[in-house]
Amino acid sequence: EAQVTQNPRYLITVTGKKLTVTCSQNMNHEYMSWYRQDPGLGLRQIYYSMNVEVTDKGDVPEGYKVSRKEKRNFPLILESPSPNQTSLYFCASSTSTNSPLHFGNGTRLTVT
Amino acid sequence: KNEVEQSPQNLTAQEGEFITINCSYSVGISALHWLQQHPGGGIVSLFMLSSGKKKHGRLIATINIQEKHSSLHITASHPRDSAVYICAVGNNNNDMRFGAGTRLTVKP
Repeated sequence: EAQVTQNPRYLITVTGKKLTVTCSQNMNHEYMSWYRQDPGLGLRQIYYSMNVEVTDKGDVPEGYKVSRKEKRNFPLILESPSPNQTSLYFCASSTSTNSPLHFGNGTRLTVT
Repeated sequence: KNEVEQSPQNLTAQEGEFITINCSYSVGISALHWLQQHPGGGIVSLFMLSSGKKKHGRLIATINIQEKHSSLHITASHPRDSAVYICAVGNNNNDMRFGAGTRLTVKP
């Protein structure tokens, strides 16, 4: 089944403790991206990647890192999480931005 | 001013009504997406448009590139259509901008 898999679904952590949210897709998509969704602000793009070893900043990249060592994986790394990174995170993939997006199920992160 | 504006923010309809959600954007785009987010949180892509009109079942999406405007129509609405509908634009720099969403409630 074609899908985008995010893990974990829920994560509670403390300020400063490094964490990684994984994202994997099995559709051989070149484009992958990360978004955060906050009440009143909607979805905002954090980082995106057009292909392996190619990543670019989106709207709100501060405090986040990503890597694209393999086509299928696009992990989101928070080196030193802070409470303002408490949010619902989505990973998505597609053939390109001119193709339909496939979203993961989301990761609800709470930083205390 | 947001680059992607949706209206209305909230919409309540009776089952069977025809529904229209609007999206206006101010940036150059390569494609416009309509997304659906159910209360459980998952996001599904409904349409991707770069011109004209697309139809899928009871859903119709149109785009007017000159006017920088798109509409999502739902015919014969049903309570299961209750969700948040999000307009998103992909621009020529390959990044994405999102509207704030329209919360639709369809009452039986």
